[in-house]
Amino acid sequence: DAKTTQPPSMDCAEGRAANLPCNHSTISGNEYVYWYRQIHSQGPQYIIHGLKNNETNEMASLIITEDRKSSTLILPHATLRDTAVYYCIVKTLYNFNKFYFGSGTKLNVKP
Amino acid sequence: GAVVSQHPSRVICKSGTSVKIECRSLDFQATTMFWYRQFPKQSLMLMATSNEGSKATYEQGVEKDKFLINHASLTLSTLTVTSAHPEDSSFYICSAQTAGTSGSITDTQYFGPGTRLTVL
Repeated sequence: DAKTTQPPSMDCAEGRAANLPCNHSTISGNEYVYWYRQIHSQGPQYIIHGLKNNETNEMASLIITEDRKSSTLILPHATLRDTAVYYCIVKTLYNFNKFYFGSGTKLNVKP
Repeated sequence: GAVVSQHPSRVICKSGTSVKIECRSLDFQATTMFWYRQFPKQSLMLMATSNEGSKATYEQGVEKDKFLINHASLTLSTLTVTSAHPEDSSFYICSAQTAGTSGSITDTQYFGPGTRLTVL
């Protein structure tokens, strides 16, 4: 399974863009990159996913490098409610679509 | 759409008793459900994969006789912690995967709100 590496924590000022990086250098050609977040004591919330092209939805944008070895999740205008642990997950292709969570990045949005 | 519920949200039980946790997909059919466990300040750990109408598959190191999983319908999976002990105290989270195109790898998992189990 492709492993992911994320910084343990990041700070962001309220109203500014939050850019959360993720390294997945062993990703296979057909594996997707998923991003979830977990607010304290809740279940993870789906944010976005992508294969090779950049993706955008109402929550965030996902930028995947051309070699697919890393990606960045962008929250364009962070609010205090975006304070959470953000997980980058590479979805295993041949293993019943299991998700293996890494340690994630704790994003602290500050006023 | 894609809402997953869990019941109960919190349970406290005595050591040696069994506890059942329900996971329901409310507005979609889920061919596959997953069960995770999360200890304080740690990440989610996948315990088992549950497919409707078949036996669950457990991750290495997870005792299948202790954590009984039943996936009787496309909207309900249950996890029973048998003979619970204090070390089983944890946050248990389920997820349900939308029944997309057969073999599709883009099926997203939607997570329940979690169940906090405390064993005294």
